[in-house]
Amino acid sequence: NAGVTQTPKFRILKIGQSMTLQCAQDMNHNYMYWYRQDPGMGLKLIYYSVGAGITDKGEVPNGYNVSRSTTEDFPLRLELAAPSQTSVYFCASMLAGGADTQYFGPGTRLTVL
Amino acid sequence: GNSVTQMEGPVTLSEEAFLTINCTYTATGYPSLFWYVQYPGEGLQLLLKATKADDKGSNKGFEATYRKETTSFHLEKGSVQVSDSAVYFCALSDPGDSNYQLIWGAGTKLIIKP
Repeated sequence: NAGVTQTPKFRILKIGQSMTLQCAQDMNHNYMYWYRQDPGMGLKLIYYSVGAGITDKGEVPNGYNVSRSTTEDFPLRLELAAPSQTSVYFCASMLAGGADTQYFGPGTRLTVL
Repeated sequence: GNSVTQMEGPVTLSEEAFLTINCTYTATGYPSLFWYVQYPGEGLQLLLKATKADDKGSNKGFEATYRKETTSFHLEKGSVQVSDSAVYFCALSDPGDSNYQLIWGAGTKLIIKP
C-alpha cells in the first residue's frame, strides 16, 4: 500500500493563480481531511469528507474548494491564490471513526508570491 | 466546546534526560486521546492513543495515561534520544462528533542535544 499520497511536494504560485493539490489514498478509507499548517503553528482543518460525494467545511474553508467523486481521491482547489495561503498542506484519511488513526500524507509546501 | 492545550515549546533537553510534555483537554463526554509526532520534513504519524480513563498508551518508549480526574494526557519518556527531536501534537476525538474530526493542540517542538 502506498498509503496517502500528495502531489506536488512543492509549488510556488503567483497572486491570483489557481491550482489543485492532489490527494489519494489506497486504503479504502471513508474519511478524508485537508489541513494547513502555518510555520510554527498547529493544524487547521480546511475541509473534510465522510465518503464519496459528501464534503463539508472545516475551520478555515475560505479560498478553497474540494470534491470527492471517488473514495480514493480528495483534491483541494485553490482559487485566486493569496499570500495568506502560503502554508504546508496535509491530507489525511481514516477508515472509520472514534479512536481510529488518521494517516497523513507527506504534505505539499505552497508559497504564494 | 472541546479543546486541547499543550505546553509551549520549544523544549530543549540533553540526550538521556527524562521527558514530560503536558497536555490537558476540555471535553463534554468521554473523548479518545492521541499523541501524534511530526519528524522534520514529514507528515504526522500516530505515536500512541488511549480510549478510556486510566488507559495507558505506549510506543517507542513513550507513554501517556488518560487521567479523567485531571483531564490530562501527558507524554513521558524515560530517556530521550537525538532521534526523538520532532514536533509532538496532542489531540482528542469526541465520540459525539459523527464526522470524527480531531481537535488538535498547537504542538510542542522537542529538541534533543547530544
